[in-house]
Amino acid sequence: DAGVIQSPRHEVTEMGQEVTLRCKPISGHDYLFWYRQTMMRGLELLIYFNNNVPIDDSGMPEDRFSAKMPNASFSTLKIQPSEPRDSAVYFCASSLGTGGSTGELFFGEGSRLTVL
Amino acid sequence: AQSVAQPEDQVNVAEGNPLTVKCTYSVSGNPYLFWYVQYPNRGLQFLLKYITGDNLVKGSYGFEAEFNKSQTSFHLKKPSALVSDSALYFCAVRDGVPSGSARQLTFGSGTQLTVLP
Repeated sequence: DAGVIQSPRHEVTEMGQEVTLRCKPISGHDYLFWYRQTMMRGLELLIYFNNNVPIDDSGMPEDRFSAKMPNASFSTLKIQPSEPRDSAVYFCASSLGTGGSTGELFFGEGSRLTVL
Repeated sequence: AQSVAQPEDQVNVAEGNPLTVKCTYSVSGNPYLFWYVQYPNRGLQFLLKYITGDNLVKGSYGFEAEFNKSQTSFHLKKPSALVSDSALYFCAVRDGVPSGSARQLTFGSGTQLTVLP
């Protein structure tokens, strides 16, 4: 299996621009998670989906952030408009939650976002 | 509520010496415990987990972890450290649920391990 695939790996943009991060989970996994990692705040859970349905978005920092999962093999995290404080590494992770799975997460390589 | 504490931001150890990275947890039910490793500019990689059974769990790259219920700890260990083990290590916990549904993990703040040659 190819693992969790994220794109782009690096994104540099200017304040006010729209940013879209993409994720392809591992085939067959029914949970998808978006995390943000910064030096100051560590690893933060932003939102997670089960069977393409958002379950908990309480970690989404504000209305500028939105996430979708239109099908089992694709998810997006969008920031509009972006701000310098959004600069971070954004990770997507997937897991198998059914069939007695213990639910360990499999992470993508991350998307490093820099907002100037 | 569930929580994880990694009391050390940084651990330094000489190559060939044993290493320990500490983790304590709090969870209302039976804990599912995990260790992940993150190398520079990479995503987190699963190392090992404790679900039930033997308190000593063996994982990837020669790492092991010991579950101690009375001390609510799950320390990561390796008998002989390698320079290549230098990385950021995360402990994580979630409440075990019989249905197997994957609730969100709670991660610790991470411990930077540096193995000196």
